[in-house]
Amino acid sequence: DAGVTQSPTHLIKTRGQHVTLRCSPISGHKSVSWYQQVLGQGPQFIFQYYEKEERGRGNFPDRFSARQFPNYSSELNVNALLLGDSALYLCASSLLGGSGANVLTFGAGSRLTVL
Amino acid sequence: GDSVTQMEGPVTLSEEAFLTINCTYTATGYPSLFWYVQYPGEGLQLLLKATKADDKGSNKGFEATYRKETTSFHLEKGSVQVSDSAVYFCALEETSGSRLTFGEGTQLTVNP
Repeated sequence: DAGVTQSPTHLIKTRGQHVTLRCSPISGHKSVSWYQQVLGQGPQFIFQYYEKEERGRGNFPDRFSARQFPNYSSELNVNALLLGDSALYLCASSLLGGSGANVLTFGAGSRLTVL
Repeated sequence: GDSVTQMEGPVTLSEEAFLTINCTYTATGYPSLFWYVQYPGEGLQLLLKATKADDKGSNKGFEATYRKETTSFHLEKGSVQVSDSAVYFCALEETSGSRLTFGEGTQLTVNP
């Protein structure tokens, strides 16, 4: 079975531009989460979606938005890019929306560089 | 809020050495605890987990025990291999289960 797939794998943008990152969860998984990993740091939670509804939001500005589609795939959008948005953006999927037994499976990430 | 603190790295060991990576946490409820590993250029892979106090998670020779009294979840391996070289992240999932909180990560390098 395919794992969590993310696209694009690498991209370069300039300050002020907009970016859309895409994620396809494992087949049958209904929850998708997004994390930002700045170089040398641990991932930071951005959003979780379950059954197309937002279940949680981390401490990120309104420039960050996301949505989940009927097929459970997801997009992360970032507007008005800043240099500090340069990071690895990780998508993770899980079968359910919560509980400690609900293990996240991560994709390989989208590496965003903002110049 | 919830937080995770890992021992500072990087850690460099010789092959077959004993590994300990310390992890302590702060949480208001009864979180689940995880260790994830990240190999160069890849995403995160779940290494092991524990969902309640005194549970021991284990996988691929790695172990960690959920210690509620010391709020710790230290990672151990008796004999490391070169292939274990990676970044290791300790994480907790809050009781409501909507997000993971990660530590800063510990870079492990194992030399032959």
